Amino acid sequence: GAVVSQHPSWVICKSGTSVKIECRSLDFQATTMFWYRQFPKQSLMLMATSNEGSKATYEQGVEKDKFLINHASLTLSTLTVTSAHPEDSSFYICSATSTSGGDLRQYFGPGTRLTVT
Amino acid sequence: QKEVEQDPGPLSVPEGAIVSLNCTYSNSAFQYFMWYRQYSRKGPELLMYTYSSGNKEDGRFTAQVDKSSKYISLFIRDSQPSDSATYLCAMSGFNKLIFGAGTRLAVHP
Repeated sequence: GAVVSQHPSWVICKSGTSVKIECRSLDFQATTMFWYRQFPKQSLMLMATSNEGSKATYEQGVEKDKFLINHASLTLSTLTVTSAHPEDSSFYICSATSTSGGDLRQYFGPGTRLTVT
Repeated sequence: QKEVEQDPGPLSVPEGAIVSLNCTYSNSAFQYFMWYRQYSRKGPELLMYTYSSGNKEDGRFTAQVDKSSKYISLFIRDSQPSDSATYLCAMSGFNKLIFGAGTRLAVHP
């Protein structure tokens, strides 16, 4: 149980284009989903927290107009990197928490590797 | 001072060794403690989840929490080459996880 998928697993795009990454909870309903980015040999950096049906909460320093997050249902959240640039190249990982009260465990997706050329 | 301190390693041990991984934290408000394992280019996988001081065992893994010292540990018994990965401690505060830097572990045959 508690499986989270991401699509695509790897994407290459040209500078200036936009890329959408999907995060799905496959066997549970997720009230909250989180988006992280991770640079090589570094820990995870939380970008934003999204709750189903409401606006995402962005961490300090994360541009909300550049990283658009939509959490349209209890099983799907999307991250759109708008006008991507080479410095946006990174490993993006989502996680989800169950709707079960008091369970704060986060289950992570397999990650999406973004390369901007 | 970081909220969560974790030695990044790398830590190299022979197969069969007992591995000890540790994290310290500064915020006494943290109530839930987790250990994740992350293989290269993969998402983190939840290994252990605890919310009280003491020990929790799951197979070859034992998680230990000492809230009075603000110190948590993960022990791996009979380590295997397949345990080679980065281990991240994480603590839950204010509905988000605070991660340690991650310790890279290499178990060699």
